[in-house]
Amino acid sequence: SQTIHQWPATLVQPVGSPLSLECTVEGTSNPNLYWYRQAAGRGLQLLFYSVGIGQISSEVPQNLSASRPQDRQFILSSKKLLLSDSGFYLCAWSVRRGAANEQFFGPGTRLTVL
Amino acid sequence: DAKTTQPNSMESNEEEPVHLPCNHSTISGTDYIHWYRQLPSQGPEYVIHGLTSNVNNRMASLAIAEDRKSSTLILHRATLRDAAVYYCILEMDSSYKLIFGSGTRLLVRP
Repeated sequence: SQTIHQWPATLVQPVGSPLSLECTVEGTSNPNLYWYRQAAGRGLQLLFYSVGIGQISSEVPQNLSASRPQDRQFILSSKKLLLSDSGFYLCAWSVRRGAANEQFFGPGTRLTVL
Repeated sequence: DAKTTQPNSMESNEEEPVHLPCNHSTISGTDYIHWYRQLPSQGPEYVIHGLTSNVNNRMASLAIAEDRKSSTLILHRATLRDAAVYYCILEMDSSYKLIFGSGTRLLVRP
């Protein structure tokens, strides 16, 4: 069966510090991978998605970046965190079943920038 | 991106049916309708999806209007564990992307 891992579960970082969040998927190959952010009390905002190694699409311009160095690894990074980067970061994967795209979400990383 | 409109919140009594509405008047002919739900402090989980016909699974039923401009997620017997935020999402044809709105917060009274 497929599983998705995210770490760390929680993170407190000072403003201006770098960030690296990692997401890995097991039990599937060539998945689509996604990074979302959810601010407190808000809906999910799609940040990046990837349909293959080295292929990254950005949805929202900001100081974050994403990389996919391996088929089942997706990394979210920042060189300098802002206060507004605080939130709940969720990684998800999908494979297309028929014509619909069902996504499976990881447990999330709760980031607080102070 | 295609947009959906949902009520901010709804309430239900335990063990009663719940009908969660969603309007998507700008839907295109090949857009899929997805429903996800999110429990507190967790990632969203898939509930159901459909294209034109009504759909049933172990979690819920999805009723799609004939003109496809609206849909309704039906929980046949609400339980306390069904209290969550429910998102209605349109997946544009072959886009790989799901654009989440603000969803409907469902409160279930014991």
